[in-house]
Amino acid sequence: NAGVTQTPKFQVLKTGQSMTLQCAQDMNHEYMSWYRQDPGMGLRLIHYSVGAGITDQGEVPNGYNVSRSTTEDFPLRLLSAAPSQTSVYFCASSNRLGQYFGPGTRLLVL
Amino acid sequence: GENVEQHPSTLSVQEGDSAVIKCTYSDSASNYFPWYKQELGKGPQLIIDIRSNVGEKKDQRIAVTLNKTAKHFSLHITETQPEDSAVYFCATGGAAGNMLTFGGGTRLMVKP
Repeated sequence: NAGVTQTPKFQVLKTGQSMTLQCAQDMNHEYMSWYRQDPGMGLRLIHYSVGAGITDQGEVPNGYNVSRSTTEDFPLRLLSAAPSQTSVYFCASSNRLGQYFGPGTRLLVL
Repeated sequence: GENVEQHPSTLSVQEGDSAVIKCTYSDSASNYFPWYKQELGKGPQLIIDIRSNVGEKKDQRIAVTLNKTAKHFSLHITETQPEDSAVYFCATGGAAGNMLTFGGGTRLMVKP
């Protein structure tokens, strides 16, 4: 199993541009989530999904959209990037044994 | 909502010594308490977790203790090694183990 994979590893955007961060898992987990990690801070939940077709907001959802059309994929969309969205983004999937994270996408918004 | 505080923010120990990291939480409904290790440039890795029906769990050199009455839990690492150097995060969650709230992290440095 590849586990949780994320692409791209690194991205630079200009203010106002849009992009999609990709996340996929091959563990057949129902639950998936997106977090952002800012310097010196823990991870904060952006959006999550308890299964295909179901998504909900986390602690910091503003400026981000998600969709869950399949069990495997959970993309995160930035509609109009802002410098405040410069961060490292982690996708995770979980079952009752725990939550498992991908390697992250480092995003810089200029 | 839930608030998780983690202390200390940095911890430096000599190789072979023990390290203890403590977290407190506010939501009495939390009943899942994982610990993650994050190495530079990588995603957090689950190293140990505990659920509210037990007070202590051990896995080789690492252990976690939980005091639900006082709403705090701790990570204990014995016989520390240089490869234990990393940032450690505590978190809390519900029974399903998802929707985690994280502490601010502890940077552990193990000096050879």
